[in-house]
Amino acid sequence: LAKTTQPVSMDSYEGQEVNITCSHNNIATNDYITWYQQFPSQGPRFIIQGYKTKVTNEVASLFIPADRKSSTLSLPRVSLSDTAVYYCLVGPPPRYGGSQGNLIFGKGTKLSVKP
Amino acid sequence: SAVISQKPSRDICQRGTSLTIQCQVDSQVTMMFWYRQQPGQSLTLIATANQGSEATYESGFVIDKFPISRPNLTFSTLTVSNMSPEDSSIYLCSVDSPSGYEQYFGPGTRLTVT
Repeated sequence: LAKTTQPVSMDSYEGQEVNITCSHNNIATNDYITWYQQFPSQGPRFIIQGYKTKVTNEVASLFIPADRKSSTLSLPRVSLSDTAVYYCLVGPPPRYGGSQGNLIFGKGTKLSVKP
Repeated sequence: SAVISQKPSRDICQRGTSLTIQCQVDSQVTMMFWYRQQPGQSLTLIATANQGSEATYESGFVIDKFPISRPNLTFSTLTVSNMSPEDSSIYLCSVDSPSGYEQYFGPGTRLTVT
């Protein structure tokens, strides 16, 4: 049962790159690392997912070291609209063992982007 | 991604009553999940709803308090029974993606119990 630790909050300015790190020391072999973004009064939105090394999509990059005990979400050139809470979720994919106590969201990181 | 709607979007209920929350998806999905999120807090999984089988509840949640239905591949309901002020929360429905590797969330139902 992988638990996660993230910074409670982070501040940034528009145009900067933001890196949010998540620690998950007891990650299991079949666990994936998934990041979600949540705006106030909305449900979380999937950002990116990875198992190892680096994953990049049109929104973010995810860096995972070889030991997989941590991961870093990288948001390039943030804007005011990136102000949100970011959750790191570590566990099996939802359809493949994700329940039974494995879908545990951490406390999240509140990112504030200032002009 | 799937489009998920929830009804009602919000409600104010009296102690001791029950409320049924509906979750509708615009495509057939394998798994549906129900979460609770108290204001300013993280999400807690209540149960997993699979079509054609009983819901699977997480530790601390019981069927008598949170009965769930999953009559088909696009719809599920969560009932919050015999409500108390401690049940005031946002209730979120999610579904697994076509790959089964991530989740799509609904907008949530904000419940206030007085």
